[in-house]
Amino acid sequence: EVQLLESGGGLVQTGGSLRLCCAASGFTFSSYVMSWVRQAPGKGLEWVSAISGDSRTYYTDSVKGRFTISRDNSKNTVYLQMNSLRAEDTAVYYCAKGQSFSDLDYWGQGSLVTVSS
Amino acid sequence: DVVMTQSPLSLPVTLGQPASISCRSSQSLLYSDGNTYLNWFHQRPGRSPRRLIYKVSNRDSGVPDRFSGSGSGTDFTLKISRVEAEDVGVYYCMQGTHWPPYTFGQGTKLEIK
Repeated sequence: EVQLLESGGGLVQTGGSLRLCCAASGFTFSSYVMSWVRQAPGKGLEWVSAISGDSRTYYTDSVKGRFTISRDNSKNTVYLQMNSLRAEDTAVYYCAKGQSFSDLDYWGQGSLVTVSS
Repeated sequence: DVVMTQSPLSLPVTLGQPASISCRSSQSLLYSDGNTYLNWFHQRPGRSPRRLIYKVSNRDSGVPDRFSGSGSGTDFTLKISRVEAEDVGVYYCMQGTHWPPYTFGQGTKLEIK
């Protein structure tokens, strides 16, 4: 059974940092593209970042230079390091897997990040 | 970035009746490999999104056959042949042809009348 379990969310001050983790199981992790998608309270979905099995990375413009996606295929885990956090980064962050970069075929349950002054 | 526009944004439907959601993109979603990377997701209240349809018309495993996707180029449609109570929630289209970034529609909230 496929499982994606996010952790690391919480309350952080404006300008602070947080690292999200997504532990995967039930599939061959190294063969899949992993993505982060966020959803601000009461709003729609916004793609944030993606990383291929061989660690090619992509970001949406609003997080470039502040967020870093990475993965450890030996631990079946993908990370999102978030620095210089802003109020507008407040959201539930979902990790999702896909067979390619155009693909989000399974999502985790999400981790809430709240940025407040 | 490709803009995805859904309509309607709110969709009240009587149980057992059909429902249809439109999704239009600001550019053609036909990719050079011949595929069209248009997906549909369903998000129930308080839950994470679930993919229903990929590449316009392919249903994911376990998705009931009352759901169908169609379209080409810039115009796409998700249809539910007979709405059931479990179908409530928000439906999103998403394009994966012109990336980064992948882009989503605003969402269509389906509720039971």
